[in-house]
Amino acid sequence: EVQLVQSGAEVQKPGESLNISCRGSGYSFTNYWIGWVRQQPGKGLEWVGVIYPGDSDIRYSPSFQGQVTISADKSTSTAYLQWSSLKASDTGMYYCARRDGYKGQDYWGQGTLVTVSS
Amino acid sequence: DIQMTQSPSSLSASVGDRVTITCRASQAITNYVAWFQQRPGKAPKSLIFAASSLLDGVPSRFSGSGSGTDFTLTISSLQPDDVATYYCQQYNTYPGTFGQGTKVEIK
Repeated sequence: EVQLVQSGAEVQKPGESLNISCRGSGYSFTNYWIGWVRQQPGKGLEWVGVIYPGDSDIRYSPSFQGQVTISADKSTSTAYLQWSSLKASDTGMYYCARRDGYKGQDYWGQGTLVTVSS
Repeated sequence: DIQMTQSPSSLSASVGDRVTITCRASQAITNYVAWFQQRPGKAPKSLIFAASSLLDGVPSRFSGSGSGTDFTLTISSLQPDDVATYYCQQYNTYPGTFGQGTKVEIK
């Protein structure tokens, strides 16, 4: 069974760094893209970026380029979304999703709530 | 970036009604359009890929169609379990832009 399990909720202050994770299981982690999607409170879905763990090819949305860093660890089948300096506007739910080349995002993680507040 | 314009933003219909949600792309794209269901407080769930193919386990009352710039999600007979917000997404090119969402309620 394909599963994506994300790390727990985080509360951080502006300017702090943060790393959230998404562990895949039940499939070949290196053969599928893993993407990140943001949902700010009461808002719609926004595509952040994707990584192909097989060769670490990464694509960012222009809206998020330079604001976050996506990475993956093949040895632990885990993808990461990182911030070096959080802003209040980074507050939201972040979902990871497996991306199949034909089926698109077919499996989703449960989400990680990130709250940035002083 | 390709923009996906989804309509309506919300709708209210009775149980058993046929419901249609549309998504228009800002330029012609292949059929790499997906539809997602997000129930309140839950993660999105994938329903349809490649414009018209249902993922395993998705009830057959859901269907998708379209090509070029215009795509449609149809619920043939609305059920109480279908109360959710629905999103379209193009995954033809990066970034994989989403529509603004359609909130579906029961009248």
